[in-house]
Parts: sequence; C-alpha cells; structure tokens
Amino acid sequence: QLVESGGGLVLPGGSLRLSCAASGFTFSSYWMTWVRQAPGKGLEWVANIHQEGSEIRYVDSVKGRFTISRDNAKNSLYLQMNSLRAEDTAVYYCARWSWAMDVWGQGTTVTVSS
Amino acid sequence: EIVLTQSPGTLSLSPGERATLSCRASQNIRNNYLAWYQQKPGQAPRVLICDASSRVTGIPDRFSGSGSGTDFTLTISRLEPEDFAVYYCQQSGSSPWTFGQGTKVEIK
Repeated sequence: QLVESGGGLVLPGGSLRLSCAASGFTFSSYWMTWVRQAPGKGLEWVANIHQEGSEIRYVDSVKGRFTISRDNAKNSLYLQMNSLRAEDTAVYYCARWSWAMDVWGQGTTVTVSS
Repeated sequence: EIVLTQSPGTLSLSPGERATLSCRASQNIRNNYLAWYQQKPGQAPRVLICDASSRVTGIPDRFSGSGSGTDFTLTISRLEPEDFAVYYCQQSGSSPWTFGQGTKVEIK
C-alpha cells in the first residue's frame, strides 16, 4: 500500500514537500516513481529513483526545481517541490516500479495559485 | 523523447463488443518496455499489461496486449460494464518515460 500526503494550496514560487508512506512490501527492493495528472488531463511521469537512491531521473519540466528522495529505513518516498508554477497544479501519485507501475497511491492534490 | 500517440481518442462501444486500442511510438521502444493502464474517474491508474504483452496477475484474460517496436495494441475481447474507462500506454524503454494521451472507452 502507498499513501501520499503533503499536498495543498501554495502560491506561485512557493514550495511543498510530498511524502509517500509504503507498507506491505519490501520498500528498499523497488524503484519508486512520481506521476502527476493535471485537472482533466492525462498522466505525466515526473521522476523516479533507484532502490538505493543511486540513480535518479526527472522530466525536463521539473529539473532543477523538484528533488526526489527516499528513506528506506522509514519506508518513505519524498518529492521536494520548489519554485512552483501554475502548471504544476495536479494530483501527484507515487507508484512502485516493477516492470510497470504496479502499485499506486490514492494521490495528493497540489494547487499552485495566487 | 519518445512520443506515444494513442488512437482513437474516444471509442464508443456496447457491452460485449470488442475494443481495439492503438499506441504508436515515435521511435522504437527498447525491449518493448510498454505498459497499459486503466483509469476510472476519481481513481488511481491500474496496470493491465507490461512488456507489451504480459498480463499482470489478477487482470482478466479478456485483456490482451500485442505489438513490438513502434506499434502496440490493447485488445479487450468482450467489454464488460466495468471496462468503460480511460486507457493509457506508457513506455519505460528510455528516459524520459512517457505516457500516451489516453483513449476513452465509453458506452455507446
């Protein structure tokens, strides 16, 4: 099971930190990923992270602004989001990667607006 | 970046009919690392197919995936009422990972 938290309303230029708590599986054995979905739009992959955090990738639109990280001791995944823009408004999902995104959280909503 | 183009945008069918959804990639997908997801309103996506044609555990056998290289297909052999949803293809053969724009399967 994956449970996201940390979403909310933030001003443009502001910051938020999303968390994803994992349970029911060996968290440290899996790549993890963040995916977002803007209102009424399709899915967009945001970032992923290797089991030990040694490899990280981002979509170009968030590079330099977002940071994905994990704490295997706490079975948790994070997404630090800085310099937020209106176009970052979306539901953010964390997902486990095992040849596909096979376990998803319920999502947390981020709204960037003045 | 690999662009995935799904067609049609909307598929209007009746329960019991066969649905054929297409996903075309702008370049070859390495090792056919292509997955299909189903999403219903207000819910997170659910994976159906990985590696282009491997049905995930627990997914009914009316769902099947096929294709390789740049052309992929999701087939639902006989639509059940719970199958009306939006379907996305997604590639993980190269970074950045990308999704198609989705195909909505609606009740006719």
